[in-house]
Amino acid sequence: KQEVTQIPAALSVPEGENLVLNCSFTDSAIYNLQWFRQDPGKGLTSLLLIQSSQREQTSGRLNASLDKSSGRSTLYIAASQPGDSATYLCAAQAGTALIFGKGTTLSVSS
Amino acid sequence: NAGVTQTPKFQVLKTGQSMTLQCAQDMNHEYMSWYRQDPGMGLRLIHYSVGAGITDQGEVPNGYNVSRSTTEDFPLRLLSAAPSQTSVYFCASSYSDRPTYNEQFFGPGTRLTVL
Repeated sequence: KQEVTQIPAALSVPEGENLVLNCSFTDSAIYNLQWFRQDPGKGLTSLLLIQSSQREQTSGRLNASLDKSSGRSTLYIAASQPGDSATYLCAAQAGTALIFGKGTTLSVSS
Repeated sequence: NAGVTQTPKFQVLKTGQSMTLQCAQDMNHEYMSWYRQDPGMGLRLIHYSVGAGITDQGEVPNGYNVSRSTTEDFPLRLLSAAPSQTSVYFCASSYSDRPTYNEQFFGPGTRLTVL
């Protein structure tokens, strides 16, 4: 059974710092790995999707990588801003369902 | 495009009541699904559909029914609400469940409390 783990559960950084969020999964037979952002009381916003044949995807200050062989994905946020404060979720798709991690709650202080 | 819409945003039920959570998408997506999000448990799949007339169970289907009569709509029915169904419910859709077409888009959620 696929399990997805995100470490750390919470992270606090000062504005301007570069940071990395980690996601690990137990079964390397995945279709894709998707990163989401969730603001308090809100829905999930898709940030990046990495297909199983890809190694990384970039969008603005965000860069996500995927290493299927080691069962790991990272989300790199450059030059963090207070507006980046949110919970970040990763989800692995194997078959029809997304299997979610429990998220990393990021707080960026000004 | 409105994307994925859900109604209501908030709902309070008494134990034993029934209700339907509405979900609609205007992106002509074939794949739709329902998740629940609980503290400490993350998001878990309830039911999903790969197209009109086709539904299947996810990880936590008990106490819920779904149907898919149109491509656009995928309602979730609570047959007899229980306090254990207190949760935030999210509907999601994607063009397909197959690789390369399966970026999933989520609705804003329905926050349900069962007393």
